[in-house]
Amino acid sequence: DARVTQTPRDKVTEMGQEVTMRCQPILGHNTVFWYRQTMMQGLELLAYFRNRAPLDDSGMPKDRFSAEMPDATLATLKIQPSEPRDSAVYFCASGREIGELFFGEGSRLTVL
Amino acid sequence: DQQVKQNSPSLSVQEGRISILNCDYTNSMFDYFLWYKKYPAEGPTFLISISSIKDKNEDGRFTVFLNKSAKHLSLHIVPSQPGDSAVYFCAARDNYGQNFVFGPGTRLSVLP
Repeated sequence: DARVTQTPRDKVTEMGQEVTMRCQPILGHNTVFWYRQTMMQGLELLAYFRNRAPLDDSGMPKDRFSAEMPDATLATLKIQPSEPRDSAVYFCASGREIGELFFGEGSRLTVL
Repeated sequence: DQQVKQNSPSLSVQEGRISILNCDYTNSMFDYFLWYKKYPAEGPTFLISISSIKDKNEDGRFTVFLNKSAKHLSLHIVPSQPGDSAVYFCAARDNYGQNFVFGPGTRLSVLP
């Protein structure tokens, strides 16, 4: 049963600490998206990749966030330094050139 | 500036009746529209989609209608069941950047 895998599921950290979230897309999918769920904005796009190349990261605060795909089986989203306003659920999704996106179960981040 | 809008944050419907969830968009470059369902503590799951060349797509109890001239789509659930209670996200993909843009979601409660 193919699915997108995200780790960690839950992360509690203190302000100023580095946080790294990982995502394993579904094998064969060539697009990967990072979204953040907030109460007001719903699913907010942070970054997305096609064939491991970053296509759009305009939704990401560049000074503290970074997204990479070291290889086709791993996407990472890093926050350094983290701030309380970064507390949210972060979703990774993968897909093909056409068709729907498949989402992971999310990483819930709490920054104290 | 929200490109995909869901103006009803919540909706309550009696079991067995029809649920109608609405979505409006502003970008005429969108060519593919999707609905996702999300339960608490889970990732969004794909429900149904429609291409811009169609005006209706049906899958069991779920039907999506697209009115391109009005830039409006709706999801009909008939009959509604308590298990349909969830947050529903409308999403659209632009035919240029292949990005998926999500609305803020509508929380549907189906009352027994």
